[in-house]
Amino acid sequence: RKEVEQDPGPFNVPEGATVAFNCTYSNSASQSFFWYRQDCRKEPKLLMSVYSSGNEDGRFTAQLNRASQYISLLIRDSKLSDSATYLCVVNGDNQGGKLIFGQGTELSVKP
Amino acid sequence: DAGITQSPRHKVTETGTPVTLRCHQTENHRYMYWYRQDPGHGLRLIHYSYGVKDTDKGEVSDGYSVSRSKTEDFLLTLESATSSQTSVYFCAISEEAGSTDTQYFGPGTRLTVL
Repeated sequence: RKEVEQDPGPFNVPEGATVAFNCTYSNSASQSFFWYRQDCRKEPKLLMSVYSSGNEDGRFTAQLNRASQYISLLIRDSKLSDSATYLCVVNGDNQGGKLIFGQGTELSVKP
Repeated sequence: DAGITQSPRHKVTETGTPVTLRCHQTENHRYMYWYRQDPGHGLRLIHYSYGVKDTDKGEVSDGYSVSRSKTEDFLLTLESATSSQTSVYFCAISEEAGSTDTQYFGPGTRLTVL
Protein backbone atom coordinates (compact mmCIF):
# COMPACT_ATOMS: atom_id res chain seq x y z
CA ARG A 1 0.00 0.00 0.00
CA LYS A 2 1.30 3.46 -0.89
CA GLU A 3 1.91 5.83 2.01
CA VAL A 4 -0.26 8.52 0.47
CA GLU A 5 -3.02 7.66 -1.98
CA GLN A 6 -5.20 10.01 -3.97
CA ASP A 7 -8.26 9.76 -6.15
CA PRO A 8 -7.34 8.77 -9.66
CA GLY A 9 -7.84 11.53 -12.23
CA PRO A 10 -8.32 13.32 -14.40
CA PHE A 11 -11.31 15.31 -13.19
CA ASN A 12 -12.96 17.24 -16.01
CA VAL A 13 -15.42 19.84 -14.75
CA PRO A 14 -17.18 22.94 -16.15
CA GLU A 15 -16.44 26.40 -14.87
CA GLY A 16 -18.38 27.15 -11.72
CA ALA A 17 -18.55 23.54 -10.59
CA THR A 18 -17.62 22.29 -7.14
CA VAL A 19 -15.05 19.53 -7.07
CA ALA A 20 -13.66 17.46 -4.21
CA PHE A 21 -10.39 15.56 -3.99
CA ASN A 22 -9.73 12.84 -1.46
CA CYS A 23 -6.53 11.46 -0.02
CA THR A 24 -5.69 8.73 2.48
CA TYR A 25 -2.42 8.20 4.34
CA SER A 26 -1.04 5.11 6.04
CA ASN A 27 1.18 6.46 8.83
CA SER A 28 -1.02 7.16 11.84
CA ALA A 29 1.88 9.08 13.43
CA SER A 30 1.79 11.74 10.70
CA GLN A 31 1.38 15.20 12.14
CA SER A 32 1.22 17.67 9.28
CA PHE A 33 -0.70 17.70 6.06
CA PHE A 34 -0.64 19.87 2.99
CA TRP A 35 -2.11 20.36 -0.44
CA TYR A 36 0.33 21.43 -3.14
CA ARG A 37 -0.58 22.56 -6.62
CA GLN A 38 1.53 21.72 -9.66
CA ASP A 39 0.96 23.30 -13.05
CA CYS A 40 1.97 21.41 -16.16
CA ARG A 41 5.78 21.10 -16.38
CA LYS A 42 6.26 23.40 -13.39
CA GLU A 43 7.37 22.96 -9.82
CA PRO A 44 4.93 22.14 -6.98
CA LYS A 45 3.78 25.08 -4.90
CA LEU A 46 2.06 25.07 -1.54
CA LEU A 47 -1.68 25.64 -1.87
CA MET A 48 -2.62 25.29 1.78
CA SER A 49 -1.85 23.47 4.98
CA VAL A 50 -4.52 21.25 6.47
CA TYR A 51 -5.41 21.69 10.12
CA SER A 52 -7.32 19.37 12.42
CA SER A 53 -10.22 21.79 12.70
CA GLY A 54 -10.44 22.22 8.95
CA ASN A 55 -9.53 25.43 7.21
CA GLU A 56 -10.71 27.60 4.37
CA ASP A 57 -8.92 29.94 2.01
CA GLY A 58 -11.31 31.67 -0.33
CA ARG A 59 -12.85 29.04 -2.60
CA PHE A 60 -10.68 26.27 -1.16
CA THR A 61 -11.56 24.21 1.92
CA ALA A 62 -9.37 21.51 3.41
CA GLN A 63 -10.53 18.91 5.91
CA LEU A 64 -8.66 16.35 7.99
CA ASN A 65 -10.07 13.22 9.62
CA ARG A 66 -7.34 11.68 11.76
CA ALA A 67 -9.44 8.70 12.85
CA SER A 68 -9.94 7.66 9.23
CA GLN A 69 -6.54 8.99 8.08
CA TYR A 70 -8.28 10.94 5.38
CA ILE A 71 -7.72 14.40 3.90
CA SER A 72 -9.91 16.27 1.48
CA LEU A 73 -9.78 19.40 -0.64
CA LEU A 74 -12.94 21.12 -1.86
CA ILE A 75 -12.84 23.72 -4.62
CA ARG A 76 -15.96 25.82 -5.09
CA ASP A 77 -16.86 27.88 -8.14
CA SER A 78 -14.06 26.37 -10.24
CA LYS A 79 -12.11 28.72 -12.52
CA LEU A 80 -10.20 27.90 -15.67
CA SER A 81 -7.05 28.88 -13.78
CA ASP A 82 -7.66 26.08 -11.26
CA SER A 83 -6.64 23.55 -13.91
CA ALA A 84 -3.58 21.82 -12.47
CA THR A 85 -2.51 18.72 -10.61
CA TYR A 86 -3.22 18.72 -6.89
CA LEU A 87 -0.80 16.86 -4.66
CA CYS A 88 -1.69 15.53 -1.23
CA VAL A 89 1.37 15.72 1.02
CA VAL A 90 2.03 14.30 4.45
CA ASN A 91 4.90 14.98 6.83
CA GLY A 92 5.45 12.46 9.60
CA ASP A 93 6.73 13.77 12.92
CA ASN A 94 9.49 11.18 12.93
CA GLN A 95 10.74 11.75 9.41
CA GLY A 96 13.03 14.75 9.86
CA GLY A 97 10.90 17.10 7.83
CA LYS A 98 10.69 14.76 4.87
CA LEU A 99 7.50 15.03 2.85
CA ILE A 100 5.59 12.09 1.40
CA PHE A 101 3.75 12.98 -1.79
CA GLY A 102 0.71 11.41 -3.33
CA GLN A 103 0.71 10.85 -7.08
CA GLY A 104 -1.55 13.80 -7.62
CA THR A 105 -4.98 14.31 -9.11
CA GLU A 106 -5.29 16.21 -12.35
CA LEU A 107 -8.05 18.78 -12.63
CA SER A 108 -9.19 20.25 -15.92
CA VAL A 109 -11.74 23.06 -15.78
CA LYS A 110 -13.50 23.66 -19.09
CA PRO A 111 -15.38 26.77 -20.27
CA ASP B 1 9.02 33.32 -5.22
CA ALA B 2 11.81 31.72 -3.21
CA GLY B 3 15.25 32.22 -4.74
CA ILE B 4 16.02 28.74 -6.00
CA THR B 5 17.65 27.95 -9.30
CA GLN B 6 18.59 24.64 -10.84
CA SER B 7 21.11 23.96 -13.57
CA PRO B 8 21.03 22.67 -16.14
CA ARG B 9 17.31 22.89 -16.85
CA HIS B 10 17.49 20.20 -19.51
CA LYS B 11 20.10 17.55 -20.20
CA VAL B 12 20.41 14.59 -22.51
CA THR B 13 23.20 12.17 -21.77
CA GLU B 14 24.26 8.62 -22.52
CA THR B 15 24.20 5.58 -20.29
CA GLY B 16 27.33 5.24 -18.21
CA THR B 17 28.30 8.91 -18.17
CA PRO B 18 28.53 10.93 -14.93
CA VAL B 19 26.04 13.75 -14.47
CA THR B 20 25.93 16.51 -11.86
CA LEU B 21 22.88 18.66 -11.20
CA ARG B 22 23.17 21.85 -9.24
CA CYS B 23 20.72 23.54 -6.91
CA HIS B 24 21.45 27.08 -5.78
CA GLN B 25 19.48 29.09 -3.21
CA THR B 26 19.69 32.70 -2.09
CA GLU B 27 17.41 32.28 0.95
CA ASN B 28 20.06 31.00 3.39
CA HIS B 29 17.74 28.13 4.32
CA ARG B 30 19.30 25.31 6.28
CA TYR B 31 17.52 22.36 4.67
CA MET B 32 17.81 21.29 1.05
CA TYR B 33 16.28 18.31 -0.72
CA TRP B 34 16.52 16.47 -4.02
CA TYR B 35 13.43 14.74 -5.41
CA ARG B 36 12.65 12.92 -8.61
CA GLN B 37 9.23 12.89 -10.22
CA ASP B 38 8.04 10.08 -12.45
CA PRO B 39 4.60 9.20 -13.84
CA GLY B 40 2.76 6.89 -11.48
CA HIS B 41 5.10 7.59 -8.56
CA GLY B 42 4.73 11.20 -7.61
CA LEU B 43 7.67 12.98 -6.04
CA ARG B 44 10.19 10.76 -4.25
CA LEU B 45 13.00 11.95 -2.00
CA ILE B 46 16.52 11.04 -3.15
CA HIS B 47 18.77 12.76 -0.59
CA TYR B 48 18.51 15.70 1.72
CA SER B 49 20.83 17.99 3.65
CA TYR B 50 20.38 19.55 7.08
CA GLY B 51 23.49 21.70 6.95
CA VAL B 52 26.85 22.17 5.29
CA LYS B 53 28.44 18.75 4.85
CA ASP B 54 25.46 17.11 6.59
CA THR B 55 23.44 14.88 4.30
CA ASP B 56 21.26 11.81 4.55
CA LYS B 57 19.56 9.33 2.27
CA GLY B 58 15.98 9.44 1.17
CA GLU B 59 13.64 6.85 -0.25
CA VAL B 60 15.40 6.28 -3.60
CA SER B 61 19.08 7.06 -3.00
CA ASP B 62 20.70 4.14 -4.86
CA GLY B 63 22.81 5.38 -7.77
CA TYR B 64 22.94 8.95 -6.47
CA SER B 65 25.34 10.92 -4.30
CA VAL B 66 25.16 14.47 -3.00
CA SER B 67 27.44 17.13 -1.64
CA ARG B 68 26.91 20.39 0.16
CA SER B 69 30.08 22.42 0.70
CA LYS B 70 28.26 25.75 1.03
CA THR B 71 24.89 26.71 2.45
CA GLU B 72 23.66 27.90 -0.91
CA ASP B 73 24.63 24.95 -3.10
CA PHE B 74 23.45 21.34 -3.11
CA LEU B 75 24.81 19.06 -5.81
CA LEU B 76 23.28 15.80 -7.01
CA THR B 77 25.59 13.40 -8.86
CA LEU B 78 24.74 10.37 -10.90
CA GLU B 79 28.06 8.55 -10.99
CA SER B 80 27.10 6.39 -13.97
CA ALA B 81 23.76 7.35 -15.43
CA THR B 82 21.24 4.65 -16.36
CA SER B 83 18.05 4.86 -18.39
CA SER B 84 16.03 4.31 -15.21
CA GLN B 85 17.32 7.67 -14.00
CA THR B 86 15.52 9.49 -16.79
CA SER B 87 13.24 11.77 -14.81
CA VAL B 88 12.43 15.29 -13.72
CA TYR B 89 14.55 16.32 -10.75
CA PHE B 90 13.39 18.96 -8.30
CA CYS B 91 15.38 20.66 -5.61
CA ALA B 92 13.58 22.05 -2.58
CA ILE B 93 14.53 24.14 0.44
CA SER B 94 13.06 24.80 3.84
CA GLU B 95 14.09 27.01 6.69
CA GLU B 96 13.47 24.38 9.33
CA ALA B 97 12.66 20.69 9.28
CA GLY B 98 9.75 21.12 11.59
CA SER B 99 6.59 19.36 10.60
CA THR B 100 4.82 22.62 9.79
CA ASP B 101 7.53 24.11 7.62
CA THR B 102 6.89 24.74 3.97
CA GLN B 103 9.21 23.40 1.31
CA TYR B 104 9.87 25.62 -1.70
CA PHE B 105 10.77 23.99 -4.98
CA GLY B 106 13.10 24.95 -7.76
CA PRO B 107 11.99 24.91 -11.43
CA GLY B 108 13.23 21.38 -12.08
CA THR B 109 15.76 19.69 -14.36
CA ARG B 110 14.60 17.34 -17.11
CA LEU B 111 17.18 14.60 -17.52
CA THR B 112 17.09 12.06 -20.33
CA VAL B 113 19.51 9.13 -20.29
CA LEU B 114 19.76 7.37 -23.64
